[in-house]
Amino acid sequence: AQSVTQLDSHVSVSEGTPVLLRCNYSSSYSPSLFWYVQHPNKGLQLLLKYTSAATLVKGINGFEAEFKKSETSFHLTKPSAHMSDAAEYFCVVSASLDMRFGAGTRLTVKP
Amino acid sequence: DADVTQTPRNRITKTGKRIMLECSQTKGHDRMYWYRQDPGLGLRLIYYSFDVKDINKGEISDGYSVSRQAQAKFSLSLESAIPNQTALYFCATSDFLASEQFFGPGTRLTVL
Repeated sequence: AQSVTQLDSHVSVSEGTPVLLRCNYSSSYSPSLFWYVQHPNKGLQLLLKYTSAATLVKGINGFEAEFKKSETSFHLTKPSAHMSDAAEYFCVVSASLDMRFGAGTRLTVKP
Repeated sequence: DADVTQTPRNRITKTGKRIMLECSQTKGHDRMYWYRQDPGLGLRLIYYSFDVKDINKGEISDGYSVSRQAQAKFSLSLESAIPNQTALYFCATSDFLASEQFFGPGTRLTVL
């Protein structure tokens, strides 16, 4: 069995400041991990994925995430937030054909 | 053109009515999925299909059924809709490696 916990349901940052969205996972296997973004009234778009290669994963729009097995974490970061980053973000764990979504973190970016 | 399309995009219906949500894809993927999204719960898997003859229940299949009419089409039915099925429904596809899923734009369903 596997599960995902997104530690913050809502994160608010000012434009130009760093973004940190936290994700912890639990899996009995060696999982793949993903971050998806959902803009209002849109479907989900893949930001980045970890599939047992490099532990630091770079994604689109300046986002990156680091897989830390010892901490069972896969936190999403961005050095400088942009207004267009305001959206909901989902951390996802996948192993053995079982994919589980976190509850989501809503990111608000203030001018 | 969108790779994964869903129809309708919005639907309001009454308790007890039968509803069908449709999904089509042009990505050529064998695997298709139906999820529902509820606030604070993320996405939960309803049904998935690895090919036309392979359909499997997901985490929350009660009250739902599906039909895989072709590789490109996967429909979700609510035989007798109830208010707690009010949610945003997403269709997704993936290739056989299932390394990434591609999502449709969603269908917002309201059951009164």
